[in-house]
Amino acid sequence: AAGVIQSPRHLIKEKRETATLKCYPIPRHDTVYWYQQGPGQDPQFLISFYEKMQSDKGSIPDRFSAQQFSDYHSELNMSSLELGDSALYFCASSPPGASDTEAFFGQGTRLTVV
Amino acid sequence: DAKTTQPPSMDCAEGRAANLPCNHSTISGNEYVYWYRQIHSQGPQYIIHGLKNNETNEMASLIITEDRKSSTLILPHATLRDTAVYYCIVRVEYGNKLVFGAGTILRVKS
Repeated sequence: AAGVIQSPRHLIKEKRETATLKCYPIPRHDTVYWYQQGPGQDPQFLISFYEKMQSDKGSIPDRFSAQQFSDYHSELNMSSLELGDSALYFCASSPPGASDTEAFFGQGTRLTVV
Repeated sequence: DAKTTQPPSMDCAEGRAANLPCNHSTISGNEYVYWYRQIHSQGPQYIIHGLKNNETNEMASLIITEDRKSSTLILPHATLRDTAVYYCIVRVEYGNKLVFGAGTILRVKS
């Protein structure tokens, strides 16, 4: 079965550079969530989109922005990167319809800022 | 979303049942109990969820107390591959984010 695809899997950037992470949800899923997980930390919610509109916002820095496109894929744009942005970034998607659907996670993008 | 409390770690012998407790005393009537697990740096994996009835699937069973203030995830025959961080999450209806708290590190030992 198709899963959530994230690219790239690994990314190394220097301080003050920009990075773009991509997420391709499971087909026919209309909701996308982004999470950040620092070393030894639990996943922290950043932002979510439902039907291409932002639906919720968590502890996402102003330097970060995200959007969901017409084909439902999503991109997380990160500017002025800092060392503390080094983390695993997970994307998850969930389907429309039922009120108690589960979210399915991708394998993540490991961002290292040097 | 209601907060959850889980023990920081648990050990379980391989082949035995692993019973992972979760307290969610402030849960409200429209909030579901979800369980996810994360195996070392992989994406969190959905296990099971329920509202008030006990639930069972091919991975696990979920027992929710009648007052819904606590629940237990049961892995009936734990294997070494079940070693992971297990997260109990209380979530309102569809569309709301999953808020991960401090989960339980389950170590399955041979």
